[in-house]
Amino acid sequence: AQKVTQAQTEISVVEKEDVTLDCVYETRDTTYYLFWYKQPPSGELVFLIRRNSFDEQNEISGRYSWNFQKSTSSFNFTITASQVVDSAVYFCALTRNRDDKIIFGKGTRLHILP
Amino acid sequence: GAVVSQHPSWVICKSGTSVKIECRSLDFQATTMFWYRQFPKQSLMLMATSNEGSKATYEQGVEKDKFLINHASLTLSTLTVTSAHPEDSSFYICSASNGDTSSYEQYFGPGTRLTVT
Repeated sequence: AQKVTQAQTEISVVEKEDVTLDCVYETRDTTYYLFWYKQPPSGELVFLIRRNSFDEQNEISGRYSWNFQKSTSSFNFTITASQVVDSAVYFCALTRNRDDKIIFGKGTRLHILP
Repeated sequence: GAVVSQHPSWVICKSGTSVKIECRSLDFQATTMFWYRQFPKQSLMLMATSNEGSKATYEQGVEKDKFLINHASLTLSTLTVTSAHPEDSSFYICSASNGDTSSYEQYFGPGTRLTVT
C-alpha cells in the first residue's frame, strides 16, 4: 500500500528564517512519482515539483529546494529566507503514474510571521 | 500549460437537493479524470476515478448512488451530489490526466466549494 506521512501538522517561523517540511513515503513500486503542492487560503492547489523515482538529484528553484533520499524514503522541502506569502498548507504526494490516483499526506500548515 | 476548469467555483444548496459540478480540460484531452474531496483542515481524499466512456471506479466508502460521475467526453467530467446533506459540505477538486503525452502529466482544477444548508 502507498502512504505519505507529513509528521509536522503546523509550523510557525518568523519571516526570513529557513524552514524544512518533512515528507516520508511508503510504496512497494519501483517506479513512482513524488510531488509537493502548495494550497493557499483560496484552496487552489499550486503545483511545486514532481520527481520520479529514478531521479534522486536534489532540486533548487529560487528559494525552494527539495531533498529526495530513496534510502530513507524521504522527500523533504526547504524554503530559504521565508516570506509571509509562503504561508499556506503544503502537501507532499505520491502516485504510480499519471493514470493512477495521487495519495496525499495530511499536509503541513505553514505560518510565516512578519 | 494545461488548464483544468471547474464550474461552479462555489455553490450553496438546500438539504435534499442535487448539485452538479463540472470539470473541464480546456486545452487537452483527458483520458482519465479524478474527483477528490477535502473537508476543512484535512487532506485531499480520492472519491473516484473516471475514464471517458466507461463507468467510474469509486473508492471504498464512497456511495456511488449518491455521487454520480459521468465522463461523457475527453474534456468533460461531471460530479452530481444527489440529495445533498450538510455533511456533504466540502471542497471538491477534480484532476485530469493528459493522454496526449508520454510523460507524467496530471492537472488539478481550482476546486468547487459546496455548502449544504
